[in-house]
Amino acid sequence: GQNIDQPTEMTATEGAIVQINCTYQTSGFNGLFWYQQHAGEAPTFLSYNVLDGLEEKGRFSSFLSRSKGYSYLLLKELQMKDSASYLCAVRDDPPPAGNMLTFGGGTRLMVKP
Amino acid sequence: DGGITQSPKYLFRKEGQNVTLSCEQNLNHDAMYWYRQDPGQGLRLIYYSQIVNDFQKGDIAEGYSVSREKKESFPLTVTSAQKNPTAFYLCASTPRRGYQPQHFGDGTRLSIL
Repeated sequence: GQNIDQPTEMTATEGAIVQINCTYQTSGFNGLFWYQQHAGEAPTFLSYNVLDGLEEKGRFSSFLSRSKGYSYLLLKELQMKDSASYLCAVRDDPPPAGNMLTFGGGTRLMVKP
Repeated sequence: DGGITQSPKYLFRKEGQNVTLSCEQNLNHDAMYWYRQDPGQGLRLIYYSQIVNDFQKGDIAEGYSVSREKKESFPLTVTSAQKNPTAFYLCASTPRRGYQPQHFGDGTRLSIL
């Protein structure tokens, strides 16, 4: 079975740092993705981790610990436009089975002035 | 520019009616996916197809049907058997091989009249 958990909602202040956690229990593991989704829009790809450690991309960083089944997305210097839902997704099948993902419920982040 | 086009953006269904949501991609991707998203929730997989003329049920396939007659197209029919169709529907695609994020269309919002 697949189980991916994220907090439902978080609130943070403009200019601050926020960490969104994701824990997973899946039958296999071949990478973890983070997506950003603004209300009423399609998800957009943020980051991908397949090995343990931190991946940094500008204001956004993502961390993975495979032994703990744990990842987090770190957002620095928060801006109002960062108010969105953040989706954690796990791929359990290796290629060539495809790039199917199992998504968590998403974390709705509200950034306040 | 390559991308995924979903149409219509908004769709209304009458009682007992079947409706079809369109998804077209010009990214030359082999694999395509349909997801359902309810308010404040994550994405749940309805159907997926990894190659033309082949498709598989996802986690919530009941009340839905698909076809994959062309590589570019993966239409989803919401049948009258789906008693609670009101949701945001997202189509996505990836290459079949390699570690690639899923690319999403802009979605179709379906409501009951």
